[in-house]
Amino acid sequence: DTGVSQDPRHKITKRGQNVTFRCDPISEHNRLYWYRQTLGQGPEFLTYFQNEAQLEKSRLLSDRFSAERPKGSFSTLEIQRTEQGDSAMYLCASSNGEGLGSEAFFGQGTRLTVV
Amino acid sequence: AQSVTQLDSHVSVSEGTPVLLRCNYSSSYSPSLFWYVQHPNKGLQLLLKYTSAATLVKGINGFEAEFKKSETSFHLTKPSAHMSDAAEYFCVVSSGANFGNEKLTFGTGTRLTIIP
Repeated sequence: DTGVSQDPRHKITKRGQNVTFRCDPISEHNRLYWYRQTLGQGPEFLTYFQNEAQLEKSRLLSDRFSAERPKGSFSTLEIQRTEQGDSAMYLCASSNGEGLGSEAFFGQGTRLTVV
Repeated sequence: AQSVTQLDSHVSVSEGTPVLLRCNYSSSYSPSLFWYVQHPNKGLQLLLKYTSAATLVKGINGFEAEFKKSETSFHLTKPSAHMSDAAEYFCVVSSGANFGNEKLTFGTGTRLTIIP
């Protein structure tokens, strides 16, 4: 297993365009998380899936953001009508959810720049 | 509600000297606590975790942390710094195990610089 994979690694887009990111978690991990990290800050929680069910969304996630995890495998995060404030590193993580404090494994992230 | 406060945004130590990165947490329930490290252009990596077992936790690369409930602290230490330890370190709390959801709440990070 090669770990959590995110694609693309970098994305530059014009304001107002839609973008979609993909995350492939570690095989058989039932939990998948999306986080956003801006310069000089720690990652902030965006949303969380248990298998294919989206169980929680942060208030940070406006209506322009949508995430899916069809069939409980890979996940996509779409941002519609991008704004300059959306520029950030978008991180995906997965865990097997077994026991207390199950380790979350992070991908290397997708860096979004909105110009 | 849960939160963490990393008391230093930047720490500089000389190679071979001890490292101390400070973290205080707030949680309504028994927390799980973690330290993650982020090297430039690399993904976040788990250093160690506390989940209500032994209060002194040993992690990778010689790091350890002590959970002190009375002080609501979870400071990260290492006896002797190495140049490869230079990175961003995040203290993280999760109370979600009580609810079957282990959402992680990150601190703002401490940048560790090692002086040759």
